[in-house]
Amino acid sequence: DAGVIQSPRHEVTEMGQEVTLRCKPISGHDYLFWYRQTMMRGLELLIYFNNNVPIDDSGMPEDRFSAKMPNASFSTLKIQPSEPRDSAVYFCASSLGLTIQGSEQYFGPGTRLTVT
Amino acid sequence: GEDVEQSLFLSVREGDSSVINCTYTDSSSTYLYWYKQEPGAGLQLLTYIFSNMDMKQDQRLTVLLNKKDKHLSLRIADTQTGDSAIYFCAEANAGGTSYGKLTFGQGTILTVHP
Repeated sequence: DAGVIQSPRHEVTEMGQEVTLRCKPISGHDYLFWYRQTMMRGLELLIYFNNNVPIDDSGMPEDRFSAKMPNASFSTLKIQPSEPRDSAVYFCASSLGLTIQGSEQYFGPGTRLTVT
Repeated sequence: GEDVEQSLFLSVREGDSSVINCTYTDSSSTYLYWYKQEPGAGLQLLTYIFSNMDMKQDQRLTVLLNKKDKHLSLRIADTQTGDSAIYFCAEANAGGTSYGKLTFGQGTILTVHP
């Protein structure tokens, strides 16, 4: 298996533009997670899905952020409009089950977003 | 709420043992995880321990858990330069609004000198 695939790996955009980050989870994994990593705040969970349904989006910073999972093999995280403070590395992860059951989360390589 | 804390930096000489410490607050944690992040890469699971265990050993890695003090440690024996990375402690939350989530510490930057 190719692991979790994210695209693009790097994104540079201007403030106010729409940004879409993409993720393909490992086949057969029922859970998909979006994280954001910054020096100031560390690794934060933004939202997670179970069987394509959003379960908890309490980590989404504000209405400018939205995430979808139209099918089991694809998810997007959209920021509209983007702001400089959104600059971070965004990780997608997937797992068979929940970590409280001992399931491992497999992380993608991340998308480094820079908003100027 | 749940909180996981780690020291930010650790520097060791090649061949020595490294010990990375972590404290957490959620008493309902079921599993505790150690992840490794190399530059420009995602997180990779190193090992994990179930909350009713005291110790787990996996080759050069030893995890110690003191549930009473909510203290977790990762010992890396015979540390190599390839072990230089950021190490994250994480707890799987079983209670309240954080059910099913992983809460990560800030990460410990391990530097191994030749």
